[in-house]
Amino acid sequence: SQTIHQWPATLVQPVGSPLSLECTVEGTSNPNLYWYRQAAGRGLQLLFYSVGIGQISSEVPQNLSASRPQDRQFILSSKKLLLSDSGFYLCAWSSSGTVRGTQYFGPGTRLTVL
Amino acid sequence: GQQVMQIPQYQHVQEGEDFTTYCNSSTTLSNIQWYKQRPGGHPVFLIQLVKSGEVKKQKRLTFQFGEAKKNSSLHITATQTTDVGTYFCAYMEYGNKLVFGAGTILRVKS
Repeated sequence: SQTIHQWPATLVQPVGSPLSLECTVEGTSNPNLYWYRQAAGRGLQLLFYSVGIGQISSEVPQNLSASRPQDRQFILSSKKLLLSDSGFYLCAWSSSGTVRGTQYFGPGTRLTVL
Repeated sequence: GQQVMQIPQYQHVQEGEDFTTYCNSSTTLSNIQWYKQRPGGHPVFLIQLVKSGEVKKQKRLTFQFGEAKKNSSLHITATQTTDVGTYFCAYMEYGNKLVFGAGTILRVKS
């Protein structure tokens, strides 16, 4: 069966520090991968998605970036965090073979920028 | 791109009461998906509706897709404390992208 991992689970970082969040998927090949951010009590904002290695689409201009160095690995990064980067970061995958794309979410990373 | 509007934003019900959340679009949707996010957790896929007028049931949950495929609803019969959380609708946009509604937060008083 497929599983999706995210780490770390929680993170407290000072303003201006770098960020690296990692997401890996097991049990499937060539998945579509997604990064979302959720502010407290709010909806899901799509940040990046990827349909293959090295292929990244950015949805919202910001100081974040994403990379997909391997088929089942998706990384979210920042060179300098802002206070507004605080939130709940969720990675998700969907099968590349389906049209309707049910998404399966990882456990998330709670980021607090102080 | 288009958005889906979810109403209400928040609902607080007594345990045993029914609950309904609505998802509305100004344009026709090819499909609608529903997700549940428990407090402190991550969204979990519940169901997908594709056909006009489709109705699906999962125990106490009933999902409907409107005849015009512009709206959908999730109805919970006789809520329980385990139903608390945020319910999101979402539709598939191009490129396998899901567009989520803002969600309805459900709280259940026991």
